[in-house]
Amino acid sequence: KQEVTQIPAALSVPEGENLVLNCSFTDSAIYNLQWFRQDPGKGLTSLLLIQSSQREQTSGRLNASLDKSSGRSTLYIAASQPGDSATYLCAPLRIGNEKLTFGTGTRLTIIP
Amino acid sequence: DTGVSQDPRHKITKRGQNVTFRCDPISEHNRLYWYRQTLGQGPEFLTYFQNEAQLEKSRLLSDRFSAERPKGSFSTLEIQRTEQGDSAMYLCASSPGGTPLHFGNGTRLTVT
Repeated sequence: KQEVTQIPAALSVPEGENLVLNCSFTDSAIYNLQWFRQDPGKGLTSLLLIQSSQREQTSGRLNASLDKSSGRSTLYIAASQPGDSATYLCAPLRIGNEKLTFGTGTRLTIIP
Repeated sequence: DTGVSQDPRHKITKRGQNVTFRCDPISEHNRLYWYRQTLGQGPEFLTYFQNEAQLEKSRLLSDRFSAERPKGSFSTLEIQRTEQGDSAMYLCASSPGGTPLHFGNGTRLTVT
């Protein structure tokens, strides 16, 4: 059974700083891994999808890396802004499986 | 592409009542997923459809839960004889096949 851990559970940083969110998973037999953000009381917004054959994926100020063999992914956010405040969730998709397994997320607060 | 739409946004019901939620996926997405999210946790998989066929159901989906997707378009999730433990956010997602998943804003259920 896939288990996903996200550390830290909560993070507060001043505006403008760069930061890294961590995701680890126990089963490395994955197709891909998706990063989402979730605003309070809302659904999930897909940020990045990184395939198992890729090591990095970038979108604007966001960069996701994947080390499948060690069961780790990181989400790097550059030049953080107050609008980045949200909960960030990672979800790997196991090979032969149709369901994403989510971590409990990192609650990020950017202090103006 | 108007996104995944869920209705209602909020539902308050008394224990023992039946409730039904609706999800309209992105048009032409043949896969539709239901997830449940409780406070402070990541979403958990409930079930998914490919077109009108329900292909997988989680053990979380007790006999009181039923999901349908007639004609492979919108989907409904019904909970019979609601219990307080059913209080959660119910999220719907769709995809054209596999990932990435596109989520709706969810239906928040409160059982009193």
